[in-house]
Amino acid sequence: DGGITQSPKYLFRKEGQNVTLSCEQNLNHDAMYWYRQDPGQGLRLIYYSQIVNDFQKGDIAEGYSVSREKKESFPLTVTSAQKNPTAFYLCASQPRDRDSPLHFGNGTRLTVT
Amino acid sequence: QQQVKQSPQSLIVQKGGISIINCAYENTAFDYFPWYQQFPGKGPALLIAIRPDVSEKKEGRFTISFNKSAKQFSLHIMDSQPGDSATYFCAASARGSARQLTFGSGTQLTVLP
Repeated sequence: DGGITQSPKYLFRKEGQNVTLSCEQNLNHDAMYWYRQDPGQGLRLIYYSQIVNDFQKGDIAEGYSVSREKKESFPLTVTSAQKNPTAFYLCASQPRDRDSPLHFGNGTRLTVT
Repeated sequence: QQQVKQSPQSLIVQKGGISIINCAYENTAFDYFPWYQQFPGKGPALLIAIRPDVSEKKEGRFTISFNKSAKQFSLHIMDSQPGDSATYFCAASARGSARQLTFGSGTQLTVLP
C-alpha cells in the first residue's frame, strides 16, 4: 500500500535535546510538507520541499530544521531552540500537480519535559 | 491576508441532524477551498473541495456552499452520523508555484447517537 509513514507515533524528550522525526513516503510525490498541530490553532506550516535538495521555510520555521536528500524522505529536527516543542507533528506529500490533495501521515506526538 | 477563520470551534449534533461549519477568508487570490476530516490519532484526509467558479458542490451527505462576494464557504453534513464525529478543517490556497494551503483552526464535531 502506498502512503506516508511517520515514526515514532509517540516521542518523549528532555528539554534541551534535539530530536528528529521521521517521514517516509512511497507515493512518488515530489512535494513534502511538515505541519504542526496545536489545539485550537489548526495546522501551521513549518517547512516544505518541492524537489530533492531544496526546501523552504513555512510560517513557523524557527527552532526547526529539515533535509531532503532523497525524494522519499523528509526528516524534521526539532532543536533545543524551539521554545514550545510539545505538539502533534504531521508530515504530508503532494504530487507534482499542485491541485491534487495533500496526503498526510498519521503524525508524531512529541512531548518535551 | 493569509488567514482563514473557522467557526464554531466545537459542535454537538444529534444523529440525523445537519452539521454546519463556516469559514471566511480575506485573500481574494485564493481559488481552491478543500475540507479535510481528521479522526483522533490520524492525519487529516481530503473530504471535499470546491473552486470559486461554482456556488455549491455535493458529494453524498457532504455539501460545500461557496459565497464568493462574501468570501465565505461552509460545509454542510446532512443526516449526521456518529461515525462523522471528527475534527474538520477548512483550507484555502492560491494558484502559484507552491500552492500552499492555509488551514482554519478546526471544528471538533460530535454526533450523538
